[in-house]
Amino acid sequence: DTEVTQTPKHLVMGMTNKKSLKCEQHMGHRAMYWYKQKAKKPPELMFVYSYEKLSINESVPSRFSPECPNSSLLNLHLHALQPEDSALYLCASSQVDLGLSYNEQFFGPGTRLTVL
Amino acid sequence: GEDVEQSLFLSVREGDSSVINCTYTDSSSTYLYWYKQEPGAGLQLLTYIFSNMDMKQDQRLTVLLNKKDKHLSLRIADTQTGDSAIYFCAVRNAGNNRKLIWGLGTSLAVNP
Repeated sequence: DTEVTQTPKHLVMGMTNKKSLKCEQHMGHRAMYWYKQKAKKPPELMFVYSYEKLSINESVPSRFSPECPNSSLLNLHLHALQPEDSALYLCASSQVDLGLSYNEQFFGPGTRLTVL
Repeated sequence: GEDVEQSLFLSVREGDSSVINCTYTDSSSTYLYWYKQEPGAGLQLLTYIFSNMDMKQDQRLTVLLNKKDKHLSLRIADTQTGDSAIYFCAVRNAGNNRKLIWGLGTSLAVNP
């Protein structure tokens, strides 16, 4: 299984809603990532989890809250978002070598989020 | 910090070869990647090259790396309409290998 899956595919939420994005991989990868991507732009890194611990937070606002319940799952909890948070949210995973070298990242299809 | 640059647009005829170019600034870049993104889709890893290699070929794809000029290229032979997409160059540095530095992407249009 060489796939990263994400649910839901599309999400529309109001500014007062609480919702969650989910990501799953069964490749045995020990690093998982959240990215935000605006149209026709490169993805922007938000968070990196390594061995289920948060290792990078790119100064993301607290209305985005990541969670890594186990080595296969990654969630992104959303609360009180703004319209400018509307974007494609991408999850990725990568293998981590014994020397802590992070290998190539494999991406999921993304969740298209619209905040009204 | 590292900077990665790509030309924004490329238009080719079906059946021709496409060459997408990328330049980077940090000579400590270890792995260099090409990702493809079709409209409304996620990012697909096409190929990558390690910095101790000059060339890598995989079916219709050829990656060339010129370390002296810090220049990376992706050649797609016999380009098809299904190759129309945005192609992102991304590099990983030895100093922080958890992060990729991304180019802005090259939008490839294939005309029949």
